[in-house]
This record gives sequence, C-alpha cells and structure tokens, in this order.
Amino acid sequence: KNQVEQSPQSLIILEGKNCTLQCNYTVSPFSNLRWYKQDTGRGPVSLTIMTFSENTKSNGRYTATLDADTKQSSLHITASQLSDSASYICVVTWRAGNNRKLIWGLGTSLAVNP
Amino acid sequence: SQTIHQWPATLVQPVGSPLSLECTVEGTSNPNLYWYRQAAGRGLQLLFYSVGIGQISSEVPQNLSASRPQDRQFILSSKKLLLSDSGFYLCAWSPPSLDGLRKQYFGPGTRLTVT
Repeated sequence: KNQVEQSPQSLIILEGKNCTLQCNYTVSPFSNLRWYKQDTGRGPVSLTIMTFSENTKSNGRYTATLDADTKQSSLHITASQLSDSASYICVVTWRAGNNRKLIWGLGTSLAVNP
Repeated sequence: SQTIHQWPATLVQPVGSPLSLECTVEGTSNPNLYWYRQAAGRGLQLLFYSVGIGQISSEVPQNLSASRPQDRQFILSSKKLLLSDSGFYLCAWSPPSLDGLRKQYFGPGTRLTVT
C-alpha cells in the first residue's frame, strides 16, 4: 500500500535551535518527493522538490535529504525562527506510466517558542 | 506574477443545503487546477483536477462536483451537503506539465462547517 508516514507528529523547540523532521514512504514506483510548509489556516507552500536521483536540496534555512534506497527523507531546519511554526508536510508522487498521484503525509506540527 | 483567489474564506452551511466554492487564478494561462479537502487530523485529499476548460477528473466518488467554465476559474459544488463534507477546502494550480515536477501553488482555502 502506498503510504507516507511522518515523525514526530508534533515538535516544540526553542527559537534559534535546529530540528529535523522525518518522512518514510512505501510509495512505488516513486517519482519525486516534496516538502510543504503550511501555516495554520493557510494553503501549503512548496519548500523543496527532489527526484530519486537527488540526495539533498536546500531552500534558505531548510535542507531536505532523500535516500531513495531506504525510502526516507528528512527536512532539517537551521537556526529556527518563530515564523517557522507551522505544519510540515511530506508528499510523494507515485507514477506508473502516464498515471500519477500525490500521496500526502499527515504532517509534523512544529512550534517554535521564544 | 501569478495569484490564486478563493472565496468565501469561511462558510457555515446546514446539512442538505447546496454549496458553491469558487477559485480563480491570475497571471497564467492554461494552468492545471486542483481541489483538495483537508479534514481535521487527516492529510490532504485530492478531490478533482482539471487540465483544461471542461476537463474534470474526479479522484474520489462523493456528492461533490467540479466545473471549469473558464480557463482560470474552478468551481466546487454540491447539491446537498453532508456533515462529513466539513473541512478545509484548498484550490491549487500548477503550470501545465506532463512530468509531475511542477510546483503546486495553493490558495488561501475555505473553511466549511456543515451543521
């Protein structure tokens, strides 16, 4: 069954600290993996997109890694800011021929406290 | 630059009433358009997507329908709402693409509560 599991479910850190969010997936065949940031009550905003041949991709203080062999990805946030408080969602694209489907994780809720 | 609008922002409707949510995109042509629902404690669920005017694909059978009367307008409708239709409805667009690598850009969402 194609699934995307994220951990932890929620996380609280102090401003300025680093953190790492995990995403494990069982999607096959795999096309690409995306990380989104969703502020409360808002639509998700794309952070990174990686294909199976990419190991890491950065977007400012956000760095995503991908291990297509173990089917794991992580999102590392450096020097966290209060504005980083949001839900971070991992999305994996399943692709078979011309068929394509996005499999969404439930997200990790991050709270950055002063 | 491209922008995406959704309205209304919030909506409270009784069970059995009709629904119409509207989404419009500016600054691009022939976008792919999507309707998602995000229920409490659940991931985003794709409801409909459209690759062109009048072309609607349904991902999940339910009492909702979608229409695309214009290139940059996407409408989500229901004739009779159910309690289970409550949720956060998100419209998204992406540039036309066959490789699935294009970003999806989301609107601000509509919070629907069915009472």
